[in-house]
Amino acid sequence: SQELEQSPQSLIVQEGKNLTINCTSSKTLYGLYWYKQKYGEGLIFLMMLQKGGEEKSHEKITAKLDEKKQQSSLHITASQPSHAGIYLCGADRGGSNYQLIWGAGTKLIIKP
Amino acid sequence: GAVVSQHPSWVICKSGTSVKIECRSLDFQATTMFWYRQFPKKSLMLMATSNEGSKATYEQGVEKDKFLINHASLTLSTLTVTSAHPEDSSFYICSARDPSAQGRTGEQYFGPGTRLTVT
Repeated sequence: SQELEQSPQSLIVQEGKNLTINCTSSKTLYGLYWYKQKYGEGLIFLMMLQKGGEEKSHEKITAKLDEKKQQSSLHITASQPSHAGIYLCGADRGGSNYQLIWGAGTKLIIKP
Repeated sequence: GAVVSQHPSWVICKSGTSVKIECRSLDFQATTMFWYRQFPKKSLMLMATSNEGSKATYEQGVEKDKFLINHASLTLSTLTVTSAHPEDSSFYICSARDPSAQGRTGEQYFGPGTRLTVT
């Protein structure tokens, strides 16, 4: 079965510093989603990548999908306290109902 | 973006009772909704896919008779935890796929989640 490995599990970063979160699949992905979650709340959509080599940016967050469509990275530039939370990658596994499987999440803490 | 609501946001129930959680798409019609369970410091576990007007598709290891799913309309899916036990305590989240999405590009819109505590 397809699995998603997400790393690191947790991350403590000084405010203003850059950081990267990775998501690796054992199989080629149909699509890769990045979401953010505050503890005890729902998920907020960040970005969706579908094409090999694709890169998208929104404000200070950039996500990339490699050419083989098996690995994605989420990069935050000049981190701010508002970036704190849990980042989850989800993969479209090609099912008829568009179900997603999920990485374990990365807990990001921003130190002031 | 589209809005998905869940009710209740939290619930405490006694062991042996049943609890119903509602998931509503507020400004769009969702033919497909998903129910997830999330354990502390763990990722989302897909429990089942709920299709309007038909039986839900359950993931392996999820008890159909324990977690009853009903998708009676295009804006409402319900998850009923029957004969709840303390091990059912968890955070339950629903999502609905963007119906206007072309091909496989649509994002899922998530509800705010329901925290269930069984005593």
